[in-house]
Amino acid sequence: KQEVTQIPAALSVPEGENLVLNCSFTDSAIYNLQWFRQDPGKGLTSLLLIQSSQREQTSGRLNASLDKSSGRSTLYIAASQPGDSATYLCAVPYTGANSKLTFGKGITLSVRP
Amino acid sequence: NAGVTQTPKFQVLKTGQSMTLQCAQDMNHEYMSWYRQDPGMGLRLIHYSVGAGITDQGEVPNGYNVSRSTTEDFPLRLLSAAPSQTSVYFCASSAQGQANEKLFFGSGTQLSVL
Repeated sequence: KQEVTQIPAALSVPEGENLVLNCSFTDSAIYNLQWFRQDPGKGLTSLLLIQSSQREQTSGRLNASLDKSSGRSTLYIAASQPGDSATYLCAVPYTGANSKLTFGKGITLSVRP
Repeated sequence: NAGVTQTPKFQVLKTGQSMTLQCAQDMNHEYMSWYRQDPGMGLRLIHYSVGAGITDQGEVPNGYNVSRSTTEDFPLRLLSAAPSQTSVYFCASSAQGQANEKLFFGSGTQLSVL
């Protein structure tokens, strides 16, 4: 069974800092990996999707990388802002099934002004 | 374009009551799914559908029923609510398999079962 881990559960940084959020998964035979953002009381918004054949994806100040062999992905946030404060979750398809996702529990990020 | 719409946003039930959580999407997505989110447990898949008329169980299906009569709608039915079903419920959809397309979420339904 696929397991996804995100450590630490919470992170607080000063505004302007570059930061890296980590995601690890147990089964490297994945089709892709998605990073999501969740604001308090809201649904999830997909930020980046990395296909298994890709090593990274970029959107604005966000860059996500994928290393299947080591079972790891990172989300890099450049020049963090208070508006980046949210919970960030990663998700991969279930082992052997490409239509269901397993989510990590998320990292709650707080960016201090 | 509304995306994924869930109703109601909040609901309080008594143990044993039944209810239906509604989910509709206007993006003509084939794939739809229901997740529940609990503190310390993360998001867990309840049921999913790969197209109209086709549904399957996820990780935690007990106590829930689904049907998919149209592409747009994917309601989740609680047959006899239990306190263990207190949670935030999210509906999600994607164009193809969730593995190949971004997943779009609704804003959630916060359910309390007393």
